[in-house]
Amino acid sequence: QSALTQPASVSGSPGQSITISCTGTSSDVGGYNYVSWYQQHPGKAPKLMIYDVSKRPSGVSNRFSGSKSGNTASLTISGLQAEDEADYYCSSYTSSNTWVFGGGTKLTVL
Amino acid sequence: QVQLQESGPGLVKPSETLSLTCTVSGGSISSYYWSWIRQPPGKGLEWIGDISYSGSTNYNPSLKSRVTISVDTSKNQFSLKLSSVTAADTAVYYCAKERRDGHNYFDYWGQGTLVTVSS
Repeated sequence: QSALTQPASVSGSPGQSITISCTGTSSDVGGYNYVSWYQQHPGKAPKLMIYDVSKRPSGVSNRFSGSKSGNTASLTISGLQAEDEADYYCSSYTSSNTWVFGGGTKLTVL
Repeated sequence: QVQLQESGPGLVKPSETLSLTCTVSGGSISSYYWSWIRQPPGKGLEWIGDISYSGSTNYNPSLKSRVTISVDTSKNQFSLKLSSVTAADTAVYYCAKERRDGHNYFDYWGQGTLVTVSS
């Protein structure tokens, strides 16, 4: 299985919105509504931010939202804050009963 | 609140077997699926494999020939064995709890443990 494709880096200024894409295939992203997004600060474990494409766990800011079109999922962060600077990973369940992650995107808040 | 804690040697010699255990607290391991995920230094996340409480396993095809995941429900633990390791297996290894019930995602993670493969 190949890793999902994410941009290596994105950046934005405080208050702006950014979108991170995550492209897979019909065997993973396109085939299931089981895309999730994780935030990882340096030296820390990943934290769930979005699950089932667009659902937010309790406690996650509503500035974070998710969507999907075809084989590409997206994470949008609105009203960027300094604390949002981190690495972001998408993940999808696959038709082989396995999981695949994206390569990760480094978000820089300018 | 479920908590997970990885344990095991931080240094493994090339060609030997890496062995890690994940202890689950704050909830029973006798439900859900439980995963191992790793992250080489400075790189992205890679799913290794998972196990259900009943012992059903799934593995990453790229690692399948070298991986064994097992569960001990009496101790609320699950374990990872990765054989014939090389320097490329140096990584932070995380254990994680899965939801796989129509809402599929990783909701709880351990803090991670660094395993270095070196002679």
